[in-house]
Amino acid sequence: NAGVTQTPKFQVLKTGQSMTLQCAQDMNHNSMYWYRQDPGMGLRLIYYSASEGTTDKGEVPNGYNVSRLNKREFSLRLESAAPSQTSVYFCASGSNQPQHFGDGTRLSIL
Amino acid sequence: EDQVTQSPEALRLQEGESSSLNCSYTVSGLRGLFWYRQDPGKGPEFLFTLYSAGEEKEKERLKATLTKKESFLHITAPKPEDSATYLCALSNDYKLSFGAGTTVTVRA
Repeated sequence: NAGVTQTPKFQVLKTGQSMTLQCAQDMNHNSMYWYRQDPGMGLRLIYYSASEGTTDKGEVPNGYNVSRLNKREFSLRLESAAPSQTSVYFCASGSNQPQHFGDGTRLSIL
Repeated sequence: EDQVTQSPEALRLQEGESSSLNCSYTVSGLRGLFWYRQDPGKGPEFLFTLYSAGEEKEKERLKATLTKKESFLHITAPKPEDSATYLCALSNDYKLSFGAGTTVTVRA
């Protein structure tokens, strides 16, 4: 049972480049989430999807877009990366709360 | 606005030295108080959910308690493998608001 799987684990981008972070869960959860974690600031919610077909903004959505592709997959896209988006990104899933987290994508933007 | 504050930021303990971590919060209506453990380079691992004042939950050397304004995570006779960052979070509908965490280091 893989739980929540995130790809890639590491990525370095140049300012202005775009990329998509992938997340998949195999626990049949309705809700999926994207968080970013920065030193001293805790986890901050970027976007969430309460169920397949719905997405909503979280605390820090600017500069990001998401797609809930199906019940299993929830992707996060950076259209034009900025140095302020250097962070560790976590995907999570749960029945109605984020109880299971992936191991993160470490993203550096130069 | 919901707020979560954890203290201390860091805690260094000797093996066997019991201690407590604090999570103070303000919320209009508590729907749940969550505790997670996070190891370096890993995602948070769910530990407990508490829903009402007076509730307590235990897992091995950890016990979480809840009052109307605070939650405590008590670590009894810690071992080096208890070293981690402990996060608390407030529930609001489908979302959680996280504190910055307490990093616990247990020395043998």
